Amino acid sequence: QSALTQPRSVSGSPGQSVTISCTGTGSDVGYYNYVSWYQQHPGKAPRLIISDVGKRPSGVPDRFSVSKSGNTASLTISGLQTEDEAHYYCCSYAGTYSSVVFGGGTKLTVL
Amino acid sequence: QITLKESGPTLVKPTQTLTLTCTFSGFSLSTRGVAVGWIRQPPGKALEWLALIQWDDAKTYSPSLTNRLSITKDTSKDQVVLTVTNIDPVDTATYYCAHRGIWGWDFDNWGQGTLVTVSS
Repeated sequence: QSALTQPRSVSGSPGQSVTISCTGTGSDVGYYNYVSWYQQHPGKAPRLIISDVGKRPSGVPDRFSVSKSGNTASLTISGLQTEDEAHYYCCSYAGTYSSVVFGGGTKLTVL
Repeated sequence: QITLKESGPTLVKPTQTLTLTCTFSGFSLSTRGVAVGWIRQPPGKALEWLALIQWDDAKTYSPSLTNRLSITKDTSKDQVVLTVTNIDPVDTATYYCAHRGIWGWDFDNWGQGTLVTVSS
């Protein structure tokens, strides 16, 4: 099972919007509607920001939204804030035997 | 409130077997729909899912590591144990255990992680 493909880095200025893509295959992202997203600040554990069914856990602002088209899922962060600077990982269900697969991660820089 | 904490050796020699324990609270692994997973992250690299154990003792492993991994649970102790055999320096990573959302396919609560270094 190969890792999902994410851009290595994206950047934006405070107040702007950025979108992080997550490309898989017809065996994971394209087949199942279970893509979750995680935020990780340096030295910290990952934090779930979008659940597998596209919901935001308590405390996650509505600036974070998701979409999907074919084999690609996307995370959009609007109204960028400095605290959004972190690594972001997507994760997709990949079936009974593979369970889940993570993306390679994207570093978001807020300029 | 769900909490998880990983424990185990910080330094392991190549070819040895690594045993990590995840001690959790705030949920029971005997409750239908509940699962605990292990995920690792080499320094400066991406997350990699390793294994998952469900309330009914069903287990799944990363296809690339399935021959080296074993996951078990002790419901009475609220613990999940991961073993990795034939350890290698490339296995140096922070190892996390995480609670899977009930009946879901996301990890909604994570432990703090434990860094394991493989070196002779």
